[in-house]
Amino acid sequence: QSVLTQPPSVSGAPGQRVTISCAGTSSNIGAGYDVHWYQHLPGTAPKLLIYGNSNRPSGVPDRFSGSKSGTSASLAITGLQAEDEADYYCQSYDNSLSDSRVFGTGTKVTVI
Amino acid sequence: QVQLVQSGAEVKKPGASVKVSCTVSGYTLTQLSMHWVRRAPGRGLEWMGGFDPEDGETIYAQKFQGRVTMTEETSRDTAYMELSRLRSEDTAVYYCVTDSGTYYFYYWGQGTLVTVSS
Repeated sequence: QSVLTQPPSVSGAPGQRVTISCAGTSSNIGAGYDVHWYQHLPGTAPKLLIYGNSNRPSGVPDRFSGSKSGTSASLAITGLQAEDEADYYCQSYDNSLSDSRVFGTGTKVTVI
Repeated sequence: QVQLVQSGAEVKKPGASVKVSCTVSGYTLTQLSMHWVRRAPGRGLEWMGGFDPEDGETIYAQKFQGRVTMTEETSRDTAYMELSRLRSEDTAVYYCVTDSGTYYFYYWGQGTLVTVSS
């Protein structure tokens, strides 16, 4: 029942570029709220990957990039590596719900 | 650098309550806006609630209202999340997270596995 919709899975070969979409609505992404992205590796805590649509925290490789347009956003991973195999989530703020912080449905990235 | 250290794994029976703690180091709890997120097996990340500095109140996701209570013991720099009337669907890893002030979660605790089973 998430208000942010992501594809369940994407895959790519090592070195390739993959993108993950995050579709929102006029009460979240479309209302101008920033989109943030997290990487969740099995057995670890999720990690902030992108904040404020396109900003990388210190230590995040520049292979990861984010963008936003209209009511959607996307995360791109270039030069895909084996260690990038993980679950990825977008997150934003929604002004129409009591659930103000909303996560996307999540996307499993598989390196084939 | 903020560090969040959570309490250990719990096993509870349906109908019981669980209280998970999250102790802050590197900052004081009053400098932070603490929230809670969970991930159940086979499901995605789910925001449960947290302190909203704009309102000065703790806000809860609608799904958990009436069952969850988030508190803070500032003298110990420790935050707590108590979930009551547990059911099997509450089996999940629970994370304390710090809200940046611009609605993203920067620091994460290591997670606490709560298993609900009869």
